[in-house]
Amino acid sequence: QQPVQSPQAVILREGEDAVINCSSSKALYSVHWYRQKHGEAPVFLMILLKGGEQKGHEKISASFNEKKQQSSLYLTASQLSYSGTYFCGTEDELTGANNLFFGTGTRLTVIP
Amino acid sequence: DAGVTQSPTHLIKTRGQQVTLRCSPKSGHDTVSWYQQALGQGPQFIFQYYEEEERQRGNFPDRFSGHQFPNYSSELNVNALLLGDSALYLCASSSDQGRPYGYTFGSGTRLTVV
Repeated sequence: QQPVQSPQAVILREGEDAVINCSSSKALYSVHWYRQKHGEAPVFLMILLKGGEQKGHEKISASFNEKKQQSSLYLTASQLSYSGTYFCGTEDELTGANNLFFGTGTRLTVIP
Repeated sequence: DAGVTQSPTHLIKTRGQQVTLRCSPKSGHDTVSWYQQALGQGPQFIFQYYEEEERQRGNFPDRFSGHQFPNYSSELNVNALLLGDSALYLCASSSDQGRPYGYTFGSGTRLTVV
């Protein structure tokens, strides 16, 4: 049930862009994205729903391909504050919209 | 507006003991989910409580149990602790009204079993 993320880690210079991918073997109801900094709680970034509604941040956007059960998170013009581990969380149609399963995480490091 | 509050922040227990972790959800949230996060791993879903009942459960043994109170706060109980139970335990709250919304996480309880 756990989604798979790629890449596992990425290093960027300030101002560069990054894409993080999330893939599931299940038919998905929603995809969440969170960022966790070391020693802190995960922080909600955005959610994507089957059918296309999206909520989120500026400069951080995401897509959701329902047919492929895949989502991608796009980080543009990265800032030092973007560093952290990014997790996607998925709710699948089989187990219902009441449990969120997290991926393996992508560690993003932004350097000056 | 207070977010999700968890207590205690750190805990050291001996193998075989029992532990209770506590969580107060964000104001306005009625649903509480518990996660276990091992070092370097993603959070693993334990269970979710809504209307004082366990609504969904992940792949965790019966040693893990919980409770939700009328004020929406929640407890996670772990019996017969194993060394492998050492992890960060995260509580997340959300609202079941006007879904979907993202989860708000607490800072977690770091449990060490020795």
